[in-house]
Amino acid sequence: DTGVSQDPRHKITKRGQNVTFRCDPISEHNRLYWYRQTLGQGPEFLTYFQNEAQLEKSRLLSDRFSAERPKGSFSTLEIQRTEQGDSAMYLCASSLSPGQGNYNEQFFGPGTRLTVL
Amino acid sequence: AQSVSQHNHHVILSEAASLELGCNYSYGGTVNLFWYVQYPGQHLQLLLKYFSGDPLVKGIKGFEAEFIKSKFSFNLRKPSVQWSDTAEYFCAVITSGGYNKLIFGAGTRLAVHP
Repeated sequence: DTGVSQDPRHKITKRGQNVTFRCDPISEHNRLYWYRQTLGQGPEFLTYFQNEAQLEKSRLLSDRFSAERPKGSFSTLEIQRTEQGDSAMYLCASSLSPGQGNYNEQFFGPGTRLTVL
Repeated sequence: AQSVSQHNHHVILSEAASLELGCNYSYGGTVNLFWYVQYPGQHLQLLLKYFSGDPLVKGIKGFEAEFIKSKFSFNLRKPSVQWSDTAEYFCAVITSGGYNKLIFGAGTRLAVHP
C-alpha cells in the first residue's frame, strides 16, 4: 500500500498520560499536514511541514502538543498530559510542493482515534 | 477568520433523486475550493476541485460543483444519486497565502435509501 499510513489506529489513554502518533506520508511527498477532527465537525488544521521544517502551527496547538519530522519523511505528533478535550480523530495528510505537479492534492491517512478517559 | 459553512448536516434521499449540497466560504481574496468525500470506513478522498477558469467543475462519480464568486458559494450537485453515494461530504477552501492548509466545513452526512 503506497498511501498515507498512521499508527496506531486507535489509542485509549488516561488523563494526564502522554501519547505519540506516527504518520508515514506518500514517499515522494515533501509536505505533511496534521489535522484534528472532533465529532460532528470537519477536520481542523494543526500544523504543517515542508520537508523537516515546521512552517506553521495553528493556535489550536497548545504547548502540550509537539510535532516533528526529523528527516523529512515520517512525522510524529506527541500530546503531553492528555486531557479529555483532546479526544478526537487525528488525521495526517501529505502532498507534493508547488512546482512538482499540478494541484498539490492532499492525500489523507486513515487517522488515529484518541480517547482520553 | 476564514471559515466554511455547509448548510445541511444531514440529508436523506431516495435513489435517483437529485442532490445539491450547499457550501459558502468567508474570504475576500483568491481561493481554491474542494469537495472531499468520506465513505463509511474509508479515508477522506478528493471528489473535485476548483482553481480557476470554468466555474463549473466536474469530479468523479458524476458529481459537479459550481463556483459563484459573487455569492462566495461552491455547491455540490449530482442529478441522480445512488445508494453507493451514502457518505459524508466536506467542503474545503485554501486561501491565498494559506500554506496549502485546508479549511473544512462541518460536513454533510448523506444517506441514500434504495
